[in-house]
Formats: sequence, structure tokens, C-alpha cells
Amino acid sequence: DIQLTQSPSFLSASVGDRVTISCRASQGITSYLSWYQQKPGRAPKLLIYTASTLQSGVPSRFSGSGSGTEFTLTISSLQPEDFATYYCQQLYTYPITFGLGTRLEIK
Amino acid sequence: QVQLQESGPGLVKASETLSLTCSVSGGSISNYYWSWIRQPAGKGLEWIGRIYTTSGEKNYNPSLMSRVTMSVDTSKNQVSLRLSSVTAADTAVYYCARGIQGVGNDCWGQGTLVTVSS
Repeated sequence: DIQLTQSPSFLSASVGDRVTISCRASQGITSYLSWYQQKPGRAPKLLIYTASTLQSGVPSRFSGSGSGTEFTLTISSLQPEDFATYYCQQLYTYPITFGLGTRLEIK
Repeated sequence: QVQLQESGPGLVKASETLSLTCSVSGGSISNYYWSWIRQPAGKGLEWIGRIYTTSGEKNYNPSLMSRVTMSVDTSKNQVSLRLSSVTAADTAVYYCARGIQGVGNDCWGQGTLVTVSS
């Protein structure tokens, strides 16, 4: 199985901050990497796919980059509604796997 | 707008079979992958598997493959999950989600909590 390692696992930041979350794959996955946002008690929401394509309706302050084994999710200016847990997911091969998540909290 | 709704027993006895149904409204289930993903309380997401409605192709997580069965009923616009011989480790919120090849899961149900009791 392809392992996805997210860092940090926990992040404390303030409204207006720029934050970056990393996701490292245990082997190359080209650009088959998606990012999700999950709020407590809610289903995950797709934010970005193929590493850098913004899902329809997602604010432009979210962006993704990377290929191969190194990927990043960036939020350019944190808004109150962005405090949540973020997961990466690889779709390169089966089984599809997720990172363990990065919990983003208000400082 | 497509909506997904999981349904099924919230409590299952250990060693028995968990059965869940995902009802899809507002769109056809054809030509999409339909995934089941679960999340134990306070933990991360685990992909259980997916089924492609057009071909019936199924892909299961090897860690669960011996116990998982997924099926589709296109006449009812439903996707089903069966997980046999459950243990406490199968206690989780179970989500169904629409999948697009290479993109991921763009629509999710609200999730349903299944507790395995001893």
C-alpha cells in the first residue's frame, strides 16, 4: 500500500495567516493526489484534485501543488470557516489511501 | 444536486454481517464509481472499496477484501455494502461517496454510525 505522511499533524494559526500542509507519498503517484476538508460531525469535502485543480465552488485561497512524492496544500489567508481537519488521498493505485490528517485550529 | 443517504442498522453484533445501503437522489448512479469509506471515532479515513456501476468492476481494500461485498441496484439508484464477521474494530462512521476516476470523491453522504456490540 502507498503510505501518505502528512505534516504537521496539528497546526495552530490565526485568521489571515498563510498556512501550508504537506503530504508525502511512500512512492511516486504522479499527480493523483486529492485534498479534503472535514469539519467535526460532517463528511469530508473535496477541495483539490490532480494535485492542483480546484474543485468547483472552492474558494481560490486554497491551492495545491506538487507531483511525484511531495505535495502541498496552501491556504493563502485563513478564514474562520477554514479551521478543520485536512486529509490527502492518493488515487494512483489500489488500495486508495488517505493521510492521517492535519488538524488546523485557531490560535 | 446529487444527494446520498446511507441507511442500515446502527448496532450489529460481533461475528454478524453489517449491511448498509446508499440511496442516491438527484442524479443517476450510472457511469460513476461509488465508494465506501469509514472513519472510527476520532481517527482518520479508511477506504473500504468501490464499485463502478457501468461495468460492475469492483476494487476492495485488501485488508477487508475477504469480508466485503459491494453491489449496485440501478433500478433503485442504490449501492450496498456488506461486511461480514464484524468485530469491535469495525465500529465506525460509514460513508458512501461518489467517485470520479483520478479525481476522488466529490459527493458524500452524511455518514452513518455503526457500532459493533459484543
